[in-house]
Amino acid sequence: QVQLVESGGGVVQPGRSLRLSCAASGFTFSSYGMHWVRQAPGKGLEWVAVIWYDGSNKYYADSVKGRFTISRDNSKNTLYLQMNSLRAEDTAVYYCARDATIFGVVPGAFDIWGQGTMVTVSS
Amino acid sequence: EIVMTQSPATLSVSPGERATLSCRASQSVSSNLAWYQQKPGQAPRLLIYGASTRATGIPARFSGSGSGTEFTLTISSLQSEDFAVYYCQQYNNWPLYTFGQGTKLEIK
Repeated sequence: QVQLVESGGGVVQPGRSLRLSCAASGFTFSSYGMHWVRQAPGKGLEWVAVIWYDGSNKYYADSVKGRFTISRDNSKNTLYLQMNSLRAEDTAVYYCARDATIFGVVPGAFDIWGQGTMVTVSS
Repeated sequence: EIVMTQSPATLSVSPGERATLSCRASQSVSSNLAWYQQKPGQAPRLLIYGASTRATGIPARFSGSGSGTEFTLTISSLQSEDFAVYYCQQYNNWPLYTFGQGTKLEIK
């Protein structure tokens, strides 16, 4: 079945780095844009980044721009989020999500979500 | 940035009754509006996209309406499994996306 599984979360000190992964299965990964969305403890959802289906374009929320990098390996059906210079306010559950529109030809909602991976930034 | 404002923050409704949740955008998002349901400890689930189209497998008791800046999610007859937090999201300002702050639907 269609599935996204995140991994790589954990506890990290401020200023350090962490890389999250999201393994996709059950669909043609290379045909869909992919997103990262985060949720701080007890808070709402915050969109973090998007990457086009072919990796040609990437966009970021202002809160992470210059520190986070989204990437993908379509040969491995895997999405990544490289997080550098981490701050306490980056503490959150990080979800990967699939863009609902194939090849991103029109704006789309997020139709498939992973279960999330927790990132805690603390000294 | 388009700001999405949901109201009320918390809605108390009895099972079997109708629930109406609101979402307002700071500028027009056309019909590029989605609703998500999130239960404790779970990932969000897409309910409605295009302001009024139910996602695959979503029961008919969920309906969405509106366009431009004002949107509504209606749950016609609340079931026990519907008590959750609901988020609206605009994707008109693509590729930048924003969510509302959420409405918690609780049992009265």
